[in-house]
Amino acid sequence: EMQLVESGGGLGQPGGSLRLSCSASGFTSSSYEMNWVRQAPGKGLEWVSYISHNGKTIYYADSVKGRFTISRDNAQNSLYLQMNSLRAEDTAVYYCTREDGAVAHDAFDIWGQGTMVTVSS
Amino acid sequence: QSVLTQPPSASGTPGQRVTISCSGSSSNIGRNYVYWYQQIPGSAPKLLVYKNNQRPSGVPDRFSGSKSGTSASLAISGLRSEDEADYYCAAWDDSLRGYVFGTGTKVTVL
Repeated sequence: EMQLVESGGGLGQPGGSLRLSCSASGFTSSSYEMNWVRQAPGKGLEWVSYISHNGKTIYYADSVKGRFTISRDNAQNSLYLQMNSLRAEDTAVYYCTREDGAVAHDAFDIWGQGTMVTVSS
Repeated sequence: QSVLTQPPSASGTPGQRVTISCSGSSSNIGRNYVYWYQQIPGSAPKLLVYKNNQRPSGVPDRFSGSKSGTSASLAISGLRSEDEADYYCAAWDDSLRGYVFGTGTKVTVL
């Protein structure tokens, strides 16, 4: 079964850091573009960041640019999100997603279960 | 920040047809594929429609997507109680160089 499992969420201090991880299984993640999507409590979905299959192309939402860093380790079938300078508005469930890959900027066909990040003092 | 606009809610009785609109611009829906996701409260989103009107394996043909210009829509025919969920449209935005999601529509089965 193809699946994504996120970890690393929890309570972070304003101005502090957290690192999220996403482990892929059931498929070779090195063949796929990956993204992080978040959802604040009671709110809609917000795209956070994209990384190409080889890690050479990266994009960020303006709301996290300069503070978050996406990376991947294809040998470990893993995706990461380093979150620095945390703000209260970063409080959300963070989902790791896989792009189908049939076309550029394709659908998110596999989603993880999400990991909750709470930023509070 | 949601760039795609959806109605906040839609409803219907079992068996009815419900349509959800998604309005964007030339930099997103106008140039790129539209995707639709279904999210049942407490669960992760699930892909419902890709490439404007294609359904992944396992998605009932009661769900259909369409696109025209800078707008798209999702139709649910033969509404069932299990269709109660939040629905989001999405597309790549060439100007923002990122994905944009719709504001979300909560579908209620009366």
